[in-house]
Amino acid sequence: EIVMTQSPATLSVSPGERATLSCRASQSVTTNLAWYQQKPGQAPRLLIYGASTRATGIPARFSGSGSGTEFTLTINSLQSEDFAVYYCLHCNTWPPWTFGQGTRVEIK
Amino acid sequence: QVELVQSGAEVKKPGASVKVSCKASGYTFTDYYMHWVRQAPGQGLEWMGWIHPSSGATNYAQMFQARVTMTRDTSTNTVYMEVNSLRSDDTAVFYCARQYFGSWYFDYWGQGSLVTVSS
Repeated sequence: EIVMTQSPATLSVSPGERATLSCRASQSVTTNLAWYQQKPGQAPRLLIYGASTRATGIPARFSGSGSGTEFTLTINSLQSEDFAVYYCLHCNTWPPWTFGQGTRVEIK
Repeated sequence: QVELVQSGAEVKKPGASVKVSCKASGYTFTDYYMHWVRQAPGQGLEWMGWIHPSSGATNYAQMFQARVTMTRDTSTNTVYMEVNSLRSDDTAVFYCARQYFGSWYFDYWGQGSLVTVSS
């Protein structure tokens, strides 16, 4: 099973600043990596798929990069609505599909 | 528009079973796998498995294999996820989420169904 490790667990950022979130896979997942945002009481929302493609309707301040085992989600100029928990997801032909443990982005 | 509408909250006793439904609309039901994801209170997301709506084929995460059954009804575009022998640590929100064949992500999610296991 591929293990996804996110860091940091919590990120304190001031509005308007940049947030950089990391996700590491225990073995290569090529670019089969997605990022999700989850707010309290809500279902996760797809942000990025294929490691770097923004989902429909996602603002350009969200960007994803990486391949193989190292991935980054960058949120430029954080807005108030961006404070949430972010998860990476590895998905591939052969299950299991695995989530990272999440990074909480909080207001500094 | 695409919608995945799940059944409501349930309270069950330890040892009982629960069956959660996820009704799909706004797209061709048989073109997408349906996955289930568990989220315990204050915890992260755990992938449970998927069902292929056309064939009914399933694939479960090892930790859920013994107690979870996923089924579907193509006449109502609904998938079901049943958990048997419930324990208190099964208290969680369960989500359904769809995946297009050949894509590697979930693009739409249901609103979640809270299952509380308590004596």
